[in-house]
Amino acid sequence: QSALTQPASVSGSPGQSITISCTGTSSDVGGYNYVSWYQQHPGKAPKLMIYEVTNRPSGVSNRFSGSKSGNTASLTISGLQAEDEADYYCSSYTSSSTWVFGGGTKLTVL
Amino acid sequence: QLQLQESGSGLVKPSQTLSLICAVSGGSISSGGYSWSWIRQPPGKGLEWIGYIYHSGSTYYNPSLQSRVTISVDRSKNQFSLKLSSVTAADTAVYYCAREGMATINAFDIWGQGTMVTVSS
Repeated sequence: QSALTQPASVSGSPGQSITISCTGTSSDVGGYNYVSWYQQHPGKAPKLMIYEVTNRPSGVSNRFSGSKSGNTASLTISGLQAEDEADYYCSSYTSSSTWVFGGGTKLTVL
Repeated sequence: QLQLQESGSGLVKPSQTLSLICAVSGGSISSGGYSWSWIRQPPGKGLEWIGYIYHSGSTYYNPSLQSRVTISVDRSKNQFSLKLSSVTAADTAVYYCAREGMATINAFDIWGQGTMVTVSS
């Protein structure tokens, strides 16, 4: 299985909005609403930010939102804050009953 | 609050078998509705899903690692384990265990802190 495709880096200024894309195939992203997003700060374990495309776990800021169109899912962060600077990974369930991650996107808050 | 804690050898020689354990506390690994995964991250690189085991004992593995991976569960000790055989330097990574809430949250909602494994002679 191939990794999902994410941009290597994105950046934005405090208060702005950014969007990170995650492109797969009809066998993963396009075929299931089991896309999730994880935030990872240096030296820390990943943290679940979005599950099942659009849902936020309890405690996650509503500045984080998710969507999907066809084989591409997206994570949008609005009102950027310094603490949002981190690596972000998407993940999807696949038709082989396995999971696959994206390559990761480094978010820089300017 | 359920917690996961990885443990095992931090240094493994090439061609040998990597062995890790994930201890589950604050809940039972036998509870239905969850699967238990291993995920790794080579230094400076992205996340790679290794495989998971259902509470029933069924397992699914990353096709690229399937021939070398075994995940098993020890219900008496409330833990699950990873064995990766014939390791090379490419298997050097931080290894995480994680819980996935099948049919509820369908994502990895709880992670261990990770344990670094280095493959070197």
